[in-house]
Amino acid sequence: ILNVEQSPQSLHVQEGDSTNFTCSFPSSNFYALHWYRWETAKSPEALFVMTLNGDEKKKGRISATLNTKEGYSYLYIKGSQPEDSATYLCAFMSTNAGKSTFGDGTTLTVKP
Amino acid sequence: NAGVTQTPKFQVLKTGQSMTLQCAQDMNHEYMSWYRQDPGMGLRLIHYSVGAGITDQGEVPNGYNVSRSTTEDFPLRLLSAAPSQTSVYFCASKIMTGSPDTQYFGPGTRLTVL
Repeated sequence: ILNVEQSPQSLHVQEGDSTNFTCSFPSSNFYALHWYRWETAKSPEALFVMTLNGDEKKKGRISATLNTKEGYSYLYIKGSQPEDSATYLCAFMSTNAGKSTFGDGTTLTVKP
Repeated sequence: NAGVTQTPKFQVLKTGQSMTLQCAQDMNHEYMSWYRQDPGMGLRLIHYSVGAGITDQGEVPNGYNVSRSTTEDFPLRLLSAAPSQTSVYFCASKIMTGSPDTQYFGPGTRLTVL
């Protein structure tokens, strides 16, 4: 079983704060790293697909970076808004398999 | 497209009962998977399929069976329900097994086993 870890487990910030979380994954046999956004009572929705070392992706106020050599990815949210409150999941795909291994997620709460 | 659909949305079972959770996708996706989500934990893979007629075990397969007779459908069977199987179950699919693309998730089935 592959080890995919996310930190912190939860985060409470004020509206307007910028924040970031970490996803750590095995540095060998890397194929792809996915970030998902998961709102309460809904299903996970894809944010980013990252495949190359040094990749940087951006969608509005949310961005992500990837370091495959050291096995980590950062997700950044600039100027957090209450609607950003959700659990953010990362999922690692290795070259050995088509399946994904998910981290336990970081739950973000943004207070108005 | 309806995307990935799951039925039922909610289910309560007694210990020892069996049931099938249904999952269907209308996107002609090759890869389909079942996850369970427990409090404080992420998604754990139960079973997956890389195409019609082909299934394999994930991290937590015990107590569950799957089959993939068509591209569209991927039902999950609980053989003899146990309280430890109380969870939220998500079905997901993606276009090709070897693709780096993300998965599309269904709305989930919340199962309680008494």
